[in-house]
Amino acid sequence: DTGVSQNPRHKITKRGQNVTFRCDPISEHNRLYWYRQTLGQGPEFLTYFQNEAQLEKSRLLSDRFSAERPKGSFSTLEIQRTEQGDSAMYLCASSLEAGAYEQYFGPGTRLTVT
Amino acid sequence: TQLLEQSPQFLSIQEGENLTVYCNSSSVFSSLQWYRQEPGEGPVLLVTVVTGGEVKKLKRLTFQFGDARKDSSLHITAAQPGDTGLYLCAGGHNNNDMRFGAGTRLTVKP
Repeated sequence: DTGVSQNPRHKITKRGQNVTFRCDPISEHNRLYWYRQTLGQGPEFLTYFQNEAQLEKSRLLSDRFSAERPKGSFSTLEIQRTEQGDSAMYLCASSLEAGAYEQYFGPGTRLTVT
Repeated sequence: TQLLEQSPQFLSIQEGENLTVYCNSSSVFSSLQWYRQEPGEGPVLLVTVVTGGEVKKLKRLTFQFGDARKDSSLHITAAQPGDTGLYLCAGGHNNNDMRFGAGTRLTVKP
């Protein structure tokens, strides 16, 4: 297994546009997490899935953000009507339910909103 | 506001020196993780500690979990330039919730 993968690695978009990111977790991991990381900060939790069910969402996840994991495998994170404040690194991680704290991260998608 | 406070925020040392970085909280954690992150990449898990007072060693890195499970330290012996990176601690309260500190950015000069 090659680990968690994320696409694209970089995305530059104009304010007001919609963007979608994809995460492919480690194949046997049933939990998938999304985080956002800005410069000088640690990752901030956004949401997580257990299989296809979205079990928790942070207050950071405004109504412009939506995440899906339709078949319990890969996940997408969509941001609608992007704002400059959305510029950040978006990280995906996966884990087994039994070892939920041992999360394995992807390389992230760096979003720049101009 | 970070639930976990990491100190120092920045640390620059010469190759061969020893160092200790800290992770503190007012909360009790079920477990605590240390990660290392390089620029433009995701964090890489180094260790998980779960028992109060636990000490784990990973080559030149020694991790300790406080007796009360509220704090942790990471000690690096004879630091090398390859140790340069952002060291993050993350704590979990239950099986669903993990929060990160802001990290200690370590630079080891050759």
